[in-house]
Amino acid sequence: QKEVEQNSGPLSVPEGAIASLNCTYSDRGSQSFFWYRQYSGKSPELIMSIYSNGDKEDGRFTAQLNKASQYVSLLIRDSQPSDSATYLCAVATNTDKLIFGTGTRLQVFP
Amino acid sequence: ETGVTQTPRHLVMGMTNKKSLKCEQHLGHNAMYWYKQSAKKPLELMFVYNFKEQTENNSVPSRFSPECPNSSHLFLHLHTLQPEDSALYLCASSLAGGRDEQYFGPGTRLTVT
Repeated sequence: QKEVEQNSGPLSVPEGAIASLNCTYSDRGSQSFFWYRQYSGKSPELIMSIYSNGDKEDGRFTAQLNKASQYVSLLIRDSQPSDSATYLCAVATNTDKLIFGTGTRLQVFP
Repeated sequence: ETGVTQTPRHLVMGMTNKKSLKCEQHLGHNAMYWYKQSAKKPLELMFVYNFKEQTENNSVPSRFSPECPNSSHLFLHLHTLQPEDSALYLCASSLAGGRDEQYFGPGTRLTVT
């Protein structure tokens, strides 16, 4: 079982829709969870961090964490073509290592 | 300069060359990281330095040699690399350990011929 799993996509959504990106992790002791956005040919950019169960909102982005289900998600409201990128889920294990998923490619079409 | 910077941005080297990658962070962080990103693979952690001390070596071949002279600077010395070492090498920093938010530099695109 992979430590951090994401669907590779592509996830295609129309402009203005909600994009929902999902991630599961295997280490029950994980405490910190992050979402990064990576445009093609660029480095990852941190967009959200979440540490406790529930929802955390920042602008058009909402991160959701459910530690019991070992599940973290990212919702992007009012998706724009500029949101088209690969979204990386990262989980800090109880040994303080940050483990990345392979990423989900999001395509927002006009 | 702000954030995390890396030089060079692109590097082509032969298998017998020796080169170094440089990373500098301007965020006042105490932990720095080297990652490797290859196509179709997740980001792979290579090395971690916390307060200039190496705290993680993720079974990286000895042809990669890190150096951290202070909390703001990190180097990756390369020698006798293989073509499969061609990848994007990313430096990151965080305030303290791996549970903190990590911020990435722009990366060095390395091609080994």
